[in-house]
Amino acid sequence: SQQGEEDPQALSIQEGENATMNCSYKTSINNLQWYRQNSGRGLVHLILIRSNEREKHSGRLRVTLDTSKKSSSLLITASRAADTASYFCATVRHTGNQFYFGTGTSLTVIP
Amino acid sequence: DAGVIQSPRHEVTEMGQEVTLRCKPISGHDYLFWYRQTMMRGLELLIYFNNNVPIDDSGMPEDRFSAKMPNASFSTLKIQPSEPRDSAVYFCASSFVVHSGNTIYFGEGSWLTVV
Repeated sequence: SQQGEEDPQALSIQEGENATMNCSYKTSINNLQWYRQNSGRGLVHLILIRSNEREKHSGRLRVTLDTSKKSSSLLITASRAADTASYFCATVRHTGNQFYFGTGTSLTVIP
Repeated sequence: DAGVIQSPRHEVTEMGQEVTLRCKPISGHDYLFWYRQTMMRGLELLIYFNNNVPIDDSGMPEDRFSAKMPNASFSTLKIQPSEPRDSAVYFCASSFVVHSGNTIYFGEGSWLTVV
């Protein structure tokens, strides 16, 4: 990808379990964001974490950021079948306003 | 607001034909992005505009691709001539910059198949 990689590429869990996906990136950033894409649809913003933040919560979502390792993780707690989607991290650099997306993690939550 | 609007949603065309994809960004947004999504390469940033001016087109794959933004409410991505390897989903997205960090809003995509 132009900027980063998510892992795992695919994840399958049972409803009620937690899902964790990771993102690694290559350059210094202003902020990192996570997006969700349902099949056949566009991407939708979930959460933003700035480069000076280490952790952020939003509902059942928890995001961490380690700028020294150039990595981030997204945790979805108590997963639901409706969480089935692909999840992408996007990095925004200090210069310019380009959003570069990772390769995505395909999450399947089994009811 | 209706969100980012793209057309057509689906297009099937023959190799060698010209393809024009259209986008209407969210009103008030001053950045517009074109992305291409494929299984092999993921989401690629092709080009982005700020206040209708192209800022970075380094992601445009080759001269067959061109993009324009004649005004704040309309942009086109053109492929001429099209080739089968251009088959992909093309997304338009828009954003505006705020101090606290901006987010990007995507359209539903244009699904292009070149046969």
